[in-house]
Amino acid sequence: DAGVIQSPRHEVTEMGQEVTLRCKPISGHNSLFWYRQTMMRGLELLIYFNNNVPIDDSGMPEDRFSAKMPNASFSTLKIQPSEPRDSAVYFCASQWSVSSYNEQFFGPGTRLTVL
Amino acid sequence: AQSVAQPEDQVNVAEGNPLTVKCTYSVSGNPYPFWYVQYPNRGLQFLLKYITGDNLVKGSYGFEAEFNKSQTSFHLKKPSALVSDSALYFCAVSVTGGGNKLTFGTGTQLKVEL
Repeated sequence: DAGVIQSPRHEVTEMGQEVTLRCKPISGHNSLFWYRQTMMRGLELLIYFNNNVPIDDSGMPEDRFSAKMPNASFSTLKIQPSEPRDSAVYFCASQWSVSSYNEQFFGPGTRLTVL
Repeated sequence: AQSVAQPEDQVNVAEGNPLTVKCTYSVSGNPYPFWYVQYPNRGLQFLLKYITGDNLVKGSYGFEAEFNKSQTSFHLKKPSALVSDSALYFCAVSVTGGGNKLTFGTGTQLKVEL
């Protein structure tokens, strides 16, 4: 298996533009997580899905952020409009969530820079 | 609410010496603690976890961790550190019925020097 795939790996955009980050989870995993990592705030859980259904989006910073999972093999995180403070590394992770002790597998991340 | 504390932002150790990276947690419910490692410009990689049984858990790359229920700790250890172990280490915890969420600590930067 190729592991969790994220695209793009790097994104540089200007303030006000729409940004879409993409994630393909490991085949057979039924939970998907979006995280954001910054020096100031560390690693933050933004939202997670079980069986394509959003379960907890309490970490989504504001209405400019939205996430979808139209099927078991694809998810997007969209920021519109983007702001410089959104600059961070965004990670996607997937898990076979039959139990709370199964580990999550992380993708390589998307480094977002908003100018 | 769950919380994880990693009291040291950075740990320095000489190659060949034993290393310890500390982690304590506060949870409501039965805890499942984890350790992840992050190398520069990479995603987090799973190292080891405690589920049940022997309190000493052995994981990847010679790392081990000791689960202490009374002290609610899960310290990461390695008998002999390598320069290649230098990385950012995250402790995390999930709980039964907690919806598969992992609560992460703030991370500890491990630096192993020659």
